[in-house]
Amino acid sequence: TQLLEQSPQFLSIQEGENLTVYCNSSSVFSSLQWYRQEPGEGPVLLVTVVTGGEVKKLKRLTFQFGDARKDSSLHITAAQPGDTGLYLCAGGGRGSTLGRLYFGRGTQLTVWP
Amino acid sequence: NAGVTQTPKFRILKIGQSMTLQCAQDMNHNYMYWYRQDPGMGLKLIYYSVGAGITDKGEVPNGYNVSRSTTEDFPLRLELAAPSQTSVYFCASRDRLMETQYFGPGTRLLVL
Repeated sequence: TQLLEQSPQFLSIQEGENLTVYCNSSSVFSSLQWYRQEPGEGPVLLVTVVTGGEVKKLKRLTFQFGDARKDSSLHITAAQPGDTGLYLCAGGGRGSTLGRLYFGRGTQLTVWP
Repeated sequence: NAGVTQTPKFRILKIGQSMTLQCAQDMNHNYMYWYRQDPGMGLKLIYYSVGAGITDKGEVPNGYNVSRSTTEDFPLRLELAAPSQTSVYFCASRDRLMETQYFGPGTRLLVL
C-alpha cells in the first residue's frame, strides 16, 4: 500500500504552460517535503511545509499544505525545460517512528522547448 | 564537504553472489537511511539507523543486512543476490533536529 498518492504520474507540457502536481494521503503528517530528482542523481529537497494551510513560494514554484495536513500541491508557473525531472513528495513525522519519510511514487515532468 | 558518498556507482552481480554497498557522510548526521528505487515506484525504505550501533528495518528489508559501527558509515549488505534486487539504491542522511534528508548519487545494481 502507498501512503502517499501522487498525481499525475506523468506530465508532458510545452514551455510557458502552468501545471499542478498533487500529493494525497489518508494519514496526517507533521510535515510534507517536496524533492526533485534528475536522471542519474539522488533527490534534492525543494521545500518543507509543516503548518496546515501553509503556502510557500520559491520563484515560479508554489507549494501548499492542506489544512488537515493530509495533502499537498506543487504549482509551477510558466514551466521551463530546466524544470524537467521527477518530483517526489514525502511525509514525515507519522506515528512514533523517528526520522522516517514516506515517499509517493513521483510525478515525471517533461517540459518541451 | 563531500556530503553523502556512495560506492560503487554501478555493479553487475550474478544470482547468488554477495556484495556490500558503501555509504559515507561527513556531516556528522545521526540518522542514515537506505532506499531502493524501482521505476514508477518511488523510494522504498530498506533499513535505517538513528545512531552508531542502532539499526531498524524499513518497508522492504528482506535479503539485506546493515551495520552502523561509526557515525559516518552505513554499509548495506546483499546476501545471495536475486534478480528482484535489481534496482537503484540510495543512501541518505539527516541531522537529528532537522527533517531534510540528503541523498547520495545512488548505486545502480543489476542482478543477472
